Amino acid sequence: DGGITQSPKYLFRKEGQNVTLSCEQNLNHDAMYWYRQDPGQGLRLIYYSQIVNDFQKGDIAEGYSVSREKKESFPLTVTSAQKNPTAFYLCASGTGVSYEQYFGPGTRLTVT
Amino acid sequence: KQEVTQIPAALSVPEGENLVLNCSFTDSAIYNLQWFRQDPGKGLTSLLLIQSSQREQTSGRLNASLDKSSGRSTLYIAASQPGDSATYLCAGGPYTDKLIFGTGTRLQVFP
Repeated sequence: DGGITQSPKYLFRKEGQNVTLSCEQNLNHDAMYWYRQDPGQGLRLIYYSQIVNDFQKGDIAEGYSVSREKKESFPLTVTSAQKNPTAFYLCASGTGVSYEQYFGPGTRLTVT
Repeated sequence: KQEVTQIPAALSVPEGENLVLNCSFTDSAIYNLQWFRQDPGKGLTSLLLIQSSQREQTSGRLNASLDKSSGRSTLYIAASQPGDSATYLCAGGPYTDKLIFGTGTRLQVFP
């Protein structure tokens, strides 16, 4: 089965702790993306990567970090510097041809 | 800065109606446009992609069109069903690899 997996589905953390969200794809896509979704707002781009070992900041990168050591994996770390980390986080991947994006099931992060 | 508006924000209709969801961009320079469906608490499912050289796409009861001169897209849903109930999001933009999302239209189709 080809697709994008995100784990865990729900994540709870105390304020001040870093937390890493997993995203894996077996679609052989070059590009991967991280978005944040808040109630009443559209998805906002955090980071994206078009190729292994390279990534770019999106619109709201402050307080987040990523790595792209393997084509299949693009983990997102939410650091303690992120002022309002509670949100629904979505990972996506895309082809370099049509640029269509495919999404994972999401991780809901709650920080208290 | 590109912004995307979706109208209406919410829609509640009886089963069987034909529906039109609208999406407009402040900057009409759009490369690709995608329509997505999102069920509560879930990820996004891609419905239709209109690539740079295209004007519309069809899949089953869904038809999406894009007018690049005005920066507007329309998603047409024929013969709506309760299973169509979800939030519909459009996304596009001037870049080949970055999408800008609207806030969505929440659709409820009742029997």
